[in-house]
This record gives sequence, structure tokens and C-alpha cells, in this order.
Amino acid sequence: DAGVIQSPRHEVTEMGQEVTLRCKPISGHDYLFWYRQTMMRGLELLIYFNNNVPIDDSGMPEDRFSAKMPNASFSTLKIQPSEPRDSAVYFCASSPTAGTGYGYTFGSGTRLTVV
Amino acid sequence: SQQGEEDPQALSIQEGENATMNCSYKTSINNLQWYRQNSGRGLVHLILIRSNEREKHSGRLRVTLDTSKKSSSLLITASRAADTASYFCANQGAQKLVFGQGTRLTINP
Repeated sequence: DAGVIQSPRHEVTEMGQEVTLRCKPISGHDYLFWYRQTMMRGLELLIYFNNNVPIDDSGMPEDRFSAKMPNASFSTLKIQPSEPRDSAVYFCASSPTAGTGYGYTFGSGTRLTVV
Repeated sequence: SQQGEEDPQALSIQEGENATMNCSYKTSINNLQWYRQNSGRGLVHLILIRSNEREKHSGRLRVTLDTSKKSSSLLITASRAADTASYFCANQGAQKLVFGQGTRLTINP
């Protein structure tokens, strides 16, 4: 298995533009998580899905952020419009279960820079 | 915030020495996990200890858990240059995995 695949690896965009981050989880993993990592706030859980259904989006910072999982092999995180404070590394992770003793497999992340 | 704390924030030791990192958390847990992150890379799962376990070993890693103190420690024995990375503890309750701020470990040759 190729692991969790994220694209793009790097994204530089201008303030106000729409940004879409993509994730392909490991086949057979029922849970998908989106995290954001910054120096100031560390790793923050934004949203997670179970069987393609959003379960908890309480970590999504504001309405400019949205996430979808149209099928078991693909998820997107969209920021519209983007702002400089959105600059961070965004990670996608997947797991066969949640809360019962399996670790997460993380992708390599997307480094987003909003100028 | 549900984030835990890790101590120390940074640790620098000589190759061959042991490294100990500590973690505290705030809520009740099902398990506690440790991850490693190399610079510019994603997190890699190292080891998981369940709430009813007190100690667990995996290769050069030893993890302890004290639920009464809401704390855990990670010991890396006989450190190597390749162990240089950031190490994060993460506590898992019902479903969410909440990460600490991490310890930056540097192994000097």
C-alpha cells in the first residue's frame, strides 16, 4: 500500500484565492482525519469522517473552511477565501478504527502559504 | 484546550545515551500513543499503550502510563543519530486523537 497520499505537497496562493487540498486514505480504513500544524498552535484536529460521513467538524476554524469525502478513497479540504493566517501544514490521516487502539497513518502533508 | 503538555520542549543528548520524554494529558483516555515526526515529514506512529496497561516495550522504545497522574513517558534507549526528530504524545478518548506540543530531540554524534 502506498500509504496516505496528499496533494499538492506545497501550495502558494494569494490572499482571497480558493485552495483545495486532496487526500487519498489507505484502502479499507474507515476513518479519515484532517489536521493542521502550526508552530503556535501545534497539531489541531479540524474534522474527521467515518465511512465518508463527517462526524465532528468542531475544529474547523470558520465558515471559510469546508471538507468533503465523496467516496471511500478521496477527501478534499477547501479554503475559500484563503487568508495569510491559514498558512500551515495540513495533514490527512486515516485509521481502520477510532478509539479502540489503532494508530493513525499520516500523509506527508501539504504546506500551504498564503501571501 | 484538551491538548496535553510535553516535557522537555527540547532535548539534546549524545549518541548512545538514553532519551526520556514526558507527557501529561487532561481527560480520561482509552489509549495513549507516541508519534515521531522528522523535519518536513508526516507523523509516524511508534507505539500505543492502552489505559489498562502500565508499561509497554517495542524494540528500543519503552512507554509507561500512569492514569492516576494522567501522565506518560517515552524512553528511547541507546539513541542513534537517526532518532533526531520531534516526538509527540497523543491521547485518545472516545474517538479523537489529541496531540501534545511535542519534544524536539537532537542526537549529537
